[in-house]
Amino acid sequence: DAKTTQPPSMDCAEGRAANLPCNHSTISGNEYVYWYRQIHSQGPQYIIHGLKNNETNEMASLIITEDRKSSTLILPHATLRDTAVYYCIPGAGSYQLTFGKGTKLSVIP
Amino acid sequence: GAVVSQHPSWVICKSGTSVKIECRSLDFQATTMFWYRQFPKQSLMLMATSNEGSKATYEQGVEKDKFLINHASLTLSTLTVTSAHPEDSSFYICSASGGSSYNEQFFGPGTRLTVL
Repeated sequence: DAKTTQPPSMDCAEGRAANLPCNHSTISGNEYVYWYRQIHSQGPQYIIHGLKNNETNEMASLIITEDRKSSTLILPHATLRDTAVYYCIPGAGSYQLTFGKGTKLSVIP
Repeated sequence: GAVVSQHPSWVICKSGTSVKIECRSLDFQATTMFWYRQFPKQSLMLMATSNEGSKATYEQGVEKDKFLINHASLTLSTLTVTSAHPEDSSFYICSASGGSSYNEQFFGPGTRLTVL
């Protein structure tokens, strides 16, 4: 499995964009980059995933570098409800998710 | 999006008793279900993977005779913690994938188990 590096914690002002980086330099060619988040004492929530191209959905945007060694999850207008631990997970499919320590995002009023 | 439920949301039991946790996919057929365990301030650890109608595949270090998994239908999987002890106290989370959502895992809300 590809190893990931994420900052352990980040702060973001409410209403501003939250940019969460992830390094996955050992990612394989067939591995997607998945992003999940876990709000305290809840199950993880799927956010977005991508292979090569940038992706956008109603929750977030995912920017993947051309060499695929890193990616950035962007929450365009962070709210207090976005406070959570965000996990970046390379995987060939949904059956190969290995959760690391993630980034604890705190959205500050 | 796909919805996965768990029951109960929390349970307290005495040491030595068995506890069953249910995981249901409410609006899709889950060909594969996963069971995770999360200790305080730690990340999720996969315990086992089960496909409907087949025996579960357990991760290394997880006792299959202690954590019984049944995936008898495309919408229901159960995890039974047998002869629970205080060290089994944890947050148990299931997830499911299948159908048009084959490339995503949808997680349940989790079950908090406390063994006294």
